[in-house]
Amino acid sequence: SQQGEEDPQALSIQEGENATMNCSYKTSINNLQWYRQNSGRGLVHLILIRSNEREKHSGRLRVTLDTSKKSSSLLITASRAADTASYFCATDAGSGGSNYKLTFGKGTLLTVNP
Amino acid sequence: NAGVTQTPKFQVLKTGQSMTLQCAQDMNHEYMSWYRQDPGMGLRLIHYSVGAGITDQGEVPNGYNVSRSTTEDFPLRLLSAAPSQTSVYFCASSYSGLGLVQFFGPGTRLTVL
Repeated sequence: SQQGEEDPQALSIQEGENATMNCSYKTSINNLQWYRQNSGRGLVHLILIRSNEREKHSGRLRVTLDTSKKSSSLLITASRAADTASYFCATDAGSGGSNYKLTFGKGTLLTVNP
Repeated sequence: NAGVTQTPKFQVLKTGQSMTLQCAQDMNHEYMSWYRQDPGMGLRLIHYSVGAGITDQGEVPNGYNVSRSTTEDFPLRLLSAAPSQTSVYFCASSYSGLGLVQFFGPGTRLTVL
């Protein structure tokens, strides 16, 4: 079963706007990751946030994690057409489960219009 | 470094045929995984390996076999292809020092008629 669920399923914005995607998960985790997938390609890792962190930045990306709500958000600032892609969150099993496996959500399709 | 490579890129099979999807990595990663990606379903884990000689099942293992005789290679075998196995297959590798950050291959698009 899916551990992470992204919201919204699809998002369309204009270039220069900010894009926010959310991820909810069900069980405790050690860390949460975000990946990007361009059409027809493999996934590319963007950022990892550990369960004891609340916010992390990488370039135009900002990720927050709220373990009490079991949710995370990915913010892409000043979006570009090249940011058009699907974005996935992925979680490990956390305590009590195998930490060798990641579970991916179904993804958010982001379209940035020029 | 080539990273994670997968062959073939595309494959068409008839129901009942068998085949092996190849995956190799040159980063000396101990963990390797196979996922399938279907529309609206995200990625689902098929099998994974934590080192040479050690494999385990993921979420959707039925109809697939794996083995890991070397650190570099992790082939996925379809024993008797079924239309339900039509999908895009991704191989990924990682190592524990990275907190399971996955490096993905380019994928194999498989169609079973």
